[in-house]
Amino acid sequence: TQLLEQSPQFLSIQEGENLTVYCNSSSVFSSLQWYRQEPGEGPVLLVTVVTGGEVKKLKRLTFQFGDARKDSSLHITAAQPGDTGLYLCGAAGNKLTFGGGTRVLVKP
Amino acid sequence: NAGVTQTPKFQVLKTGQSMTLQCAQDMNHNSMYWYRQDPGMGLRLIYYSASEGTTDKGEVPNGYNVSRLNKREFSLRLESAAPSQTSVYFCASSEGVGGGLYEQYFGPGTRLTVT
Repeated sequence: TQLLEQSPQFLSIQEGENLTVYCNSSSVFSSLQWYRQEPGEGPVLLVTVVTGGEVKKLKRLTFQFGDARKDSSLHITAAQPGDTGLYLCGAAGNKLTFGGGTRVLVKP
Repeated sequence: NAGVTQTPKFQVLKTGQSMTLQCAQDMNHNSMYWYRQDPGMGLRLIYYSASEGTTDKGEVPNGYNVSRLNKREFSLRLESAAPSQTSVYFCASSEGVGGGLYEQYFGPGTRLTVT
């Protein structure tokens, strides 16, 4: 079982600031997914990355997959209160293994 | 389409009681999953069903059983609830398993408290 470490565990910032969350493992991922979960709801997929070095952009969100496919990051530019939530990374094998999550609070 | 539905939304059990959590999906997905979510521990896979008629253990299967009733429905049973099973339970579905290329669609969760 791959162990996924997410950091930081909690991040509180003001609206308009930038933030980055990280997902790391000692093992190589075949692919990785990022999900966002809002309070009282289930997670929703943001992106899937499959190629080492890949960068994907989703509006103000930028996702990077490390060259060695052992790490990934999510960067949010000019964060808004609507970005508040729990961000989870999931590494793929036969089934997904999730990290512990990063809880993000964007204050207006 | 309702997506993934779960019942009940909330449940309180006493230690030793049993219950079944129900999950249904209307997206014609082949694969279904049960997770539990505890503070600071993300989602941990309890059981999954790659296709109708098959079930496999995940990371934390002890104390649980599952049934893939048909392609739409996947239930999770706690035979003798324990306080350590207090958690939020999520059901999910996807077109298939493997390769991480399939999006998982999650239900709204069941909040279970065992006293």
